Amino acid sequence: EPEVTQTPSHQVTQMGQEVILRCVPISNHLYFYWYRQILGQKVEFLVSFYNNEISEKSEIFDDQFSVERPDGSNFTLKIRSTKLEDSAMYFCASSPPDTQYFGPGTRLTVL
Amino acid sequence: GENVEQHPSTLSVQEGDSAVIKCTYSDSASNYFPWYKQELGKGPQLIIDIRSNVGEKKDQRIAVTLNKTAKHFSLHITETQPEDSAVYFCAASSHYKLSFGAGTTVTVRA
Repeated sequence: EPEVTQTPSHQVTQMGQEVILRCVPISNHLYFYWYRQILGQKVEFLVSFYNNEISEKSEIFDDQFSVERPDGSNFTLKIRSTKLEDSAMYFCASSPPDTQYFGPGTRLTVL
Repeated sequence: GENVEQHPSTLSVQEGDSAVIKCTYSDSASNYFPWYKQELGKGPQLIIDIRSNVGEKKDQRIAVTLNKTAKHFSLHITETQPEDSAVYFCAASSHYKLSFGAGTTVTVRA
């Protein structure tokens, strides 16, 4: 069964550094998403991406964040200058369009 | 924006009993309501979903009901088994963006 995959599973970085989180969505899906889950809190929507552009983004997704689909298979989330409060699980999801399937997540720890 | 409330936050049931989790939503435009199960260290896994033109949906031991007038939907798990122990999230969506509830930690006691 096709799955969404994410790398790395765990990323540790220093505050102010740039990080890139990578995702490979399910191959025939058209919509791609990033969500995050701060420990003990709700899963929060960050951004949706369709047809090579952002279709919706939340207030969390400020100028420090960007997304890209650099080729036909990868979907990346870049955080330009990480802050302590960016520490969270980041989940990628993809959908055909409707039903969203999630990857296993990347745990980002900002020190 | 959409606000999804989920109750209870924790639920402990005896193996074989039923578990019920309830969610309410605020945006009447929401038309898609998935439920996800999350096991430790893993991403949310879709277990069942329902669309606004349907009042109830069942898949083996799992059922979901939707009351659009009252803006609430529920997950029912019957004949619970130890492997049902996990965190369950409800969500609501109108334009592909999912708004999640806070989650329910279900523990099935053997």
